[in-house]
This record gives sequence, structure tokens and C-alpha cells, in this order.
Amino acid sequence: KAGVTQTPRYLIKTRGQQVTLSCSPISGHRSVSWYQQTPGQGLQFLFEYFSETQRNKGNFPGRFSGRQFSNSRSEMNVSTLELGDSALYLCASSFESGVGTGELFFGEGSRLTVL
Amino acid sequence: GESVGLHLPTLSVQEGDNSIINCAYSNSASDYFIWYKQESGKGPQFIIDIRSNMDKRQGQRVTVLLNKTVKHLSLQIAATQPGDSAVYFCAENIGGSYIPTFGRGTSLIVHP
Repeated sequence: KAGVTQTPRYLIKTRGQQVTLSCSPISGHRSVSWYQQTPGQGLQFLFEYFSETQRNKGNFPGRFSGRQFSNSRSEMNVSTLELGDSALYLCASSFESGVGTGELFFGEGSRLTVL
Repeated sequence: GESVGLHLPTLSVQEGDNSIINCAYSNSASDYFIWYKQESGKGPQFIIDIRSNMDKRQGQRVTVLLNKTVKHLSLQIAATQPGDSAVYFCAENIGGSYIPTFGRGTSLIVHP
């Protein structure tokens, strides 16, 4: 069974640009979550999608957005990039992100560098 | 605000020793806890979980202990191996929440 796949793995952008990251969850998983990981802030929750609907949202500005498609694949977009957006963006899927229902399966992340 | 935190940012041990990684949480409404391991260049990987109605849970070479009185969680790794070198995160699910809150992580370094 294939794991969570994130693309691209590495990318470099300049301030003011926008970026789109993609995540393919494990087959059969309907929930996809996105996290931002930085050395200073650790793992910060961005948003979670379930059956094409954003079900939960973290405390990030509106420049961060996402969506989920009918095949559960998800994308996140960051517009008007800032230097502080440099981070590892992790996608995680689960069969059912119900209340305390179990583990998240993470991808290897997309490493974004903003210059 | 309330958050999950870790006592030690870095833990160095010798191969074969037992390792203990600690985590403090402050939200008494948390009822589900998970430990993740993140190796360099990879995403976090589930290790073990425990619900608040339990004090202890064992896996293969790992044991998680939960002390609700002092809001403390620990991960014990028996006979630590070089392959255990990684960053370990604890995460908590507050009752009624779908989303776990992650601690900052502890780096475990195992010396051969």
C-alpha cells in the first residue's frame, strides 16, 4: 500500500510569489491534514479536510488556503509569500479523523524556501 | 495558552541503554495521547498511543506511561539502538477535538 505522497519535495520561491503544494493520501483515507514545521514553532496545524470540506482550521492567515478533491487528494496554496513561510509543510492522512480515533500517516513533506 | 511541552530538547544515550522521553501537558480535557518519531528527512511516524482511561501501554520495546495527576506523559524505549535516533513528539487530543496538538519535540541521540 503506497504511503502519503507529497510533491514537490523541495522548492525555492521569492517573496511575493505564491506556491501550491500537493498531497496524495493513502488509498481509502478520507481525511487530510496539513502542518507547518519550523525549528522555532514545531508542528503547527494549518487545516484539515474531510470529504472535500474543510472541517478544521488552525491559526494561520488567509494567505494559507487549501482544498480537497473528490479522490481525497489535497492541495494547499500560500499566496504573497513571506520569508517566515520558509518551512517544511507536512501532509497527513487518516482513514477517519474522528475524535481521538488514531494515528496520522505523514508524507515526507515539501521543503519550501522563500528568498 | 495551554499546550503540550517537552522537558528536554536533547537526550543522548549509549546504545543498549533505556531511554525515557518526557512530555508535560496542561489541558486536563485531553483524553488521547500519541507519540511520533521523526527521522531526518522524513515525516513523523506513529509509535504508540494511549487513552486517558489507561496508565500504561506497551508496544515492541516501547512503553508509554500516563500520569493524569501531574499531567505527565513519558515514552520509554528499552535497549535503545542507533536506529532509534530521531526527534520524538508527543501529541494530545483534547476531548471533542479531531486535531492533535503536537509538542515541540525531543531529539534522541544514540551513541554506538
